[in-house]
Amino acid sequence: NAGVMQNPRHLVRRRGQEARLRCSPMKGHSHVYWYRQLPEEGLKFMVYLQKENIIDESGMPKERFSAEFPKEGPSILRIQQVVRGDSAAYFCASSPGVQSQPQHFGDGTRLSIL
Amino acid sequence: DQQVKQNSPSLSVQEGRISILNCDYTNSMFDYFLWYKKYPAEGPTFLISISSIKDKNEDGRFTVFLNKSAKHLSLHIVPSQPGDSAVYFCAASDGGTGGFKTIFGAGTRLFVKA
Repeated sequence: NAGVMQNPRHLVRRRGQEARLRCSPMKGHSHVYWYRQLPEEGLKFMVYLQKENIIDESGMPKERFSAEFPKEGPSILRIQQVVRGDSAAYFCASSPGVQSQPQHFGDGTRLSIL
Repeated sequence: DQQVKQNSPSLSVQEGRISILNCDYTNSMFDYFLWYKKYPAEGPTFLISISSIKDKNEDGRFTVFLNKSAKHLSLHIVPSQPGDSAVYFCAASDGGTGGFKTIFGAGTRLFVKA
């Protein structure tokens, strides 16, 4: 499967724990985007990364959230000290270039906070 | 601030008839528009797109119409099939052929009855 791979598909955390969501882009894609979908809402842009660089993080909450896309390995979205309001589906998308559409999406990670 | 609006949360259509999904936007800088389809527990899948220099784009059963003066676009599916039942997201971006920040609407759930 050469598509965008996200894992885990489901993640359960207790309040105060850390959540790490991973995304491997499509082969040949070096641009990664993270989106969050709350129940009954659309996808909200969070952050755009290229290898080793954050290009736009204007959609990221200022605290507790961080993202990286290292030279080797998947992109990681990290949420520290999770709260109930972080419960959502988190989708990763990738593209081969910055001006390239459409973005290709993974199947998401469903994060549940107890 | 909802820059992309899909005012109909759901739509029900008989198999074989036309489905029309609507989308309005407020940002006149948007110059590229996309429709994505999403099944439960899966990521969005690209369906069709249109550049602002066009007013119509057709791909098989799917046609997207763009009315720039009204800041309105629509997706027509004809004939509708039960397999088309899904959530449809309208999305928009600026920056030539795309851009790293794509804004999504809240989605319209389409039910196609056999």
